[in-house]
Amino acid sequence: KAGVTQTPRYLIKTRGQQVTLSCSPISGHRSVSWYQQTPGQGLQFLFEYFSETQRNKGNFPGRFSGRQFSNSRSEMNVSTLELGDSALYLCASSKGDSGSGNEQFFGPGTRLTVL
Amino acid sequence: QKEVEQDPGPLSVPEGAIVSLNCTYSNSAFQYFMWYRQYSRKGPELLMYTYSSGNKEDGRFTAQVDKSSKYISLFIRDSQPSDSATYLCAMRDTGGGADGLTFGKGTHLIIQP
Repeated sequence: KAGVTQTPRYLIKTRGQQVTLSCSPISGHRSVSWYQQTPGQGLQFLFEYFSETQRNKGNFPGRFSGRQFSNSRSEMNVSTLELGDSALYLCASSKGDSGSGNEQFFGPGTRLTVL
Repeated sequence: QKEVEQDPGPLSVPEGAIVSLNCTYSNSAFQYFMWYRQYSRKGPELLMYTYSSGNKEDGRFTAQVDKSSKYISLFIRDSQPSDSATYLCAMRDTGGGADGLTFGKGTHLIIQP
């Protein structure tokens, strides 16, 4: 079974630009969560999508947004990039059902550098 | 006070030793507890997933949860150089996917050959 894939793996942008990152979950998984990882703050939850609907959102500004398609693939967008947005952006896939056994499996991440 | 506290290390031990990694947390609503391993420039890999208090064993790994003390541990037996990585604890208050995971900042583990 293929794992979580993320594209692109590396990205360099300049301040003020916008960026779109893509995530394909494990086949059969309906939930996709996004996280930002930085050396200072560690892993922080951005948002989670299930069946094309945002179910929960972390404490990030509105410049961070996302969506999910009918095939469960997800994209996240960051507009008006700031230097502090430089980070590893991780996507996690899970079945999304309520109850136990809902493990999250991570992709390799997209490393974004903002210059 | 952060929700999840984890010693960043580095923790350096000789090959073959038993490794103990720990996290403390403040939110008594957390019910699901996970340990991830992350190699440099890679995504986190799920090692252990446990619910509520108790022990769970998988090969060389044992996860312990003590909800009364708000303390979780991961033990690695017969440690190998390939175990050198950053270990992240994570937790969530519901089983469903509606809430994101809350992570510790990770412990950098070095296994000396």
